Amino acid sequence: EAQVTQNPRYLITVTGKKLTVTCSQNMNHEYMSWYRQDPGLGLRQIYYSMNVEVTDKGDVPEGYKVSRKEKRNFPLILESPSPNQTSLYFCASSLGGGRFSYEQYFGPGTRLTVT
Amino acid sequence: AQSVAQPEDQVNVAEGNPLTVKCTYSVSGNPYLFWYVQYPNRGLQFLLKYITGDNLVKGSYGFEAEFNKSQTSFHLKKPSALVSDSALYFCAVRDIRDDKIIFGKGTRLHILP
Repeated sequence: EAQVTQNPRYLITVTGKKLTVTCSQNMNHEYMSWYRQDPGLGLRQIYYSMNVEVTDKGDVPEGYKVSRKEKRNFPLILESPSPNQTSLYFCASSLGGGRFSYEQYFGPGTRLTVT
Repeated sequence: AQSVAQPEDQVNVAEGNPLTVKCTYSVSGNPYLFWYVQYPNRGLQFLLKYITGDNLVKGSYGFEAEFNKSQTSFHLKKPSALVSDSALYFCAVRDIRDDKIIFGKGTRLHILP
């Protein structure tokens, strides 16, 4: 089944404790992206990647890191989480970007709480 | 900077009536426009997109949207609403010049039986 998977689905952690949220897709998609969803703010793009070893900042990259060492994986890293990073996070992938601009497939979400 | 506005936080429609969810956008270049739907406790699902060509695009579940370049709008429509259409709807735009994607804040659609 074609899908985007995220782990963990739920995470409660403390301020400053490094964490990684994994994202994997099995559709051989080139474009991958991370978003955070907050009430009243919609979805905001954190980072995106056009292909392996190519990553770019979205609108809210501060406090986050990503890497794209393999085409299928795009982990989100919070080196020193803070309470303002409490949010619902979504990973997404699409066949391509640029002038091809395919629709995105979204993972089920990761609800992160930082205390 | 590109932006997307969904002016209504919530839209209420009686079952069987037509529905419209509004979206306006601002980009410097040509826009790629998308609508997504989010059901409770689920990720987002793609509904439809406008890249080029016919201004009226048809998508999943009987939804359609009309691209209006002069009004910079991309409103989502459906001729006859179903209770199962109740969900959170997001409009999104990608500027042709880069690969950033901007989402609107979402519109909650309530279909009343």
